Amino acid sequence: SQELEQSPQSLIVQEGKNLTINCTSSKTLYGLYWYKQKYGEGLIFLMMLQKGGEEKSHEKITAKLDEKKQQSSLHITASQPSHAGIYLCGADKTSYDKVIFGPGTSLSVIP
Amino acid sequence: EAQVTQNPRYLITVTGKKLTVTCSQNMNHEYMSWYRQDPGLGLRQIYYSMNVEVTDKGDVPEGYKVSRKEKRNFPLILESPSPNQTSLYFCASSLAAGANTEAFFGQGTRLTVV
Repeated sequence: SQELEQSPQSLIVQEGKNLTINCTSSKTLYGLYWYKQKYGEGLIFLMMLQKGGEEKSHEKITAKLDEKKQQSSLHITASQPSHAGIYLCGADKTSYDKVIFGPGTSLSVIP
Repeated sequence: EAQVTQNPRYLITVTGKKLTVTCSQNMNHEYMSWYRQDPGLGLRQIYYSMNVEVTDKGDVPEGYKVSRKEKRNFPLILESPSPNQTSLYFCASSLAAGANTEAFFGQGTRLTVV
């Protein structure tokens, strides 16, 4: 089974709508990353969260990490077609271990 | 420009014909890794390297080899490719392993083994 779960698996929203993507782990994580991937292309780093309760924003995207460091959410405000793509969460299982990734959430934004 | 460069971007080959996918980074990163991405399975790590001449298996190393003779290069070798290795491959590099460091990804190599 996946060590990192993401929900929803896919999402179709109308331009201008808000949306939230979730990433969940059964274990406490050392670091949580969000990446965006356009179809068939490489991953682009969005944000990194390290502390429980931390929240970061970049343009219209906000990511939060819960206090227990087991769940993160990515919120997009007033979505645009440029937000379309696959969003992946990644996490450090330990302070030195390799990063693991969730299965991804496919986002489509309809003009 | 800081980047990770993979070649080729697309490759179609036949079963059993050895191939190499190259990966190069210009950021003097110590940590490099290879992933494969398959529908429904997300990214799975194949091999990683903590530094020159130091490599280790990831989650799905069977059928793959790597080498790290120089800091900037980390080629992925398929000695005898099989159809189940058809996938989208990504090379990534970062300053260090985990430790809350951002990873930079290449553009991907789409491999088809027939």
